[in-house]
Amino acid sequence: GAVVSQHPSWVICKSGTSVKIECRSLDFQATTMFWYRQFPKQSLMLMATSNEGSKATYEQGVEKDKFLINHASLTLSTLTVTSAHPEDSSFYICSAKGTSGSPLHFGNGTRLTVT
Amino acid sequence: DAKTTQPNSMESNEEEPVHLPCNHSTISGTDYIHWYRQLPSQGPEYVIHGLTSNVNNRMASLAIAEDRKSSTLILHRATLRDAAVYYCILRANAGGTSYGKLTFGQGTILTVHP
Repeated sequence: GAVVSQHPSWVICKSGTSVKIECRSLDFQATTMFWYRQFPKQSLMLMATSNEGSKATYEQGVEKDKFLINHASLTLSTLTVTSAHPEDSSFYICSAKGTSGSPLHFGNGTRLTVT
Repeated sequence: DAKTTQPNSMESNEEEPVHLPCNHSTISGTDYIHWYRQLPSQGPEYVIHGLTSNVNNRMASLAIAEDRKSSTLILHRATLRDAAVYYCILRANAGGTSYGKLTFGQGTILTVHP
């Protein structure tokens, strides 16, 4: 079945540094990918929609200059958390949309801890 | 987006059927009903979806009310591996501008007892 690979699965970084998370669709082309964030014991919150070859669309309240999204190819989207702070510590999950009508496929998430 | 309402938690015993309810009284005619589940420390996993008719696949069955204002996810024989958070989500049809965006509610935490 369709697989979405997310890397790294976990990362620890120091406050003020930047972290890049990759999301790849392994066996299908994804013109659109989605980035979610999930805090402990809470549900997933959509952060942004990543469109191949164009600018990402951010949800209300999500800082586009802090969470940089690049979708340069049909199989790769990246989320860069810039100048990370402890409050950015969270579980970041990407998903990819394949063919019309197909379900969304999710990566296994990246656990970010900012110290 | 149309909202869904699910019980916070449910419990089941292993090998028994589980019926997970979902209310979506404001569903529009073109909204599909999707179910995803999330195991601890993993991304969500697609379970099943439907529009009007009941659906079956290898993982579960989806029973949709005639008026589409509610649906039930049925796990025919629960296993310990089915313990997860189950999300009932409405998804716009392929032609909608919000197609693909999923709005997650709190879901139902399913506990399966051995």
